[in-house]
Amino acid sequence: DAKTTQPTSMDCAEGRAANLPCNHSTISGNEYVYWYRQIHSQGPQYIIHGLKNNETNEMASLIITEDRKSSTLILPHATLRDTAVYYCIVRASSGSARQLTFGSGTQLTVLP
Amino acid sequence: EAGVTQSPTHLIKTRGQQVTLRCSPISGHTSVYWYQQALGLGLQFLLWYDEGEERNRGNFPPRFSGRQFPNYSSELNVNALELEDSALYLCASSLDWARTGELFFGEGSRLTVL
Repeated sequence: DAKTTQPTSMDCAEGRAANLPCNHSTISGNEYVYWYRQIHSQGPQYIIHGLKNNETNEMASLIITEDRKSSTLILPHATLRDTAVYYCIVRASSGSARQLTFGSGTQLTVLP
Repeated sequence: EAGVTQSPTHLIKTRGQQVTLRCSPISGHTSVYWYQQALGLGLQFLLWYDEGEERNRGNFPPRFSGRQFPNYSSELNVNALELEDSALYLCASSLDWARTGELFFGEGSRLTVL
């Protein structure tokens, strides 16, 4: 699976949009981009995933660049409960290794 | 619908002992994944079970083992505990991984080895 690079930490004001970047310059054509988050001492939570089109659900939006070498997770109106470590993961849609490989992620702190 | 449940939530063991952690996946989910998260470190993949078989294994020594039962629940066993085994052990389940790409995680079992 392709490796991802994320900033170590970011701050965001409550009520503003939080934009979390992720670089995955070695991504292959059959690899999806997944985003998870982990609130302190809890199990990770799936947020969203995409292949090449932008995706939106009730939690967030995922913007993938046309060359697919980077993506941005957008939380449109961040709340204090969105403070968490956010993981960007790239994984193939098929193959024997179905586990997710988590990196260090981005610690997002939403400030009041 | 009940989520992924893990037991025990917390436990303390001493070096050299053995521990068994348990995981019940979401009803209908056939795949179970185990991860280790040591304090201040990222999630490290341990084991993946699907339909009762071990499908893949992370870079951990053989004293980490497990199994999946016919009802798809799973156990993680760690023998000859070492201090560095102190960690949060997370279990996740999935149904149609290839389609949804979504893993559902439990809240974990926090193991302390003294």
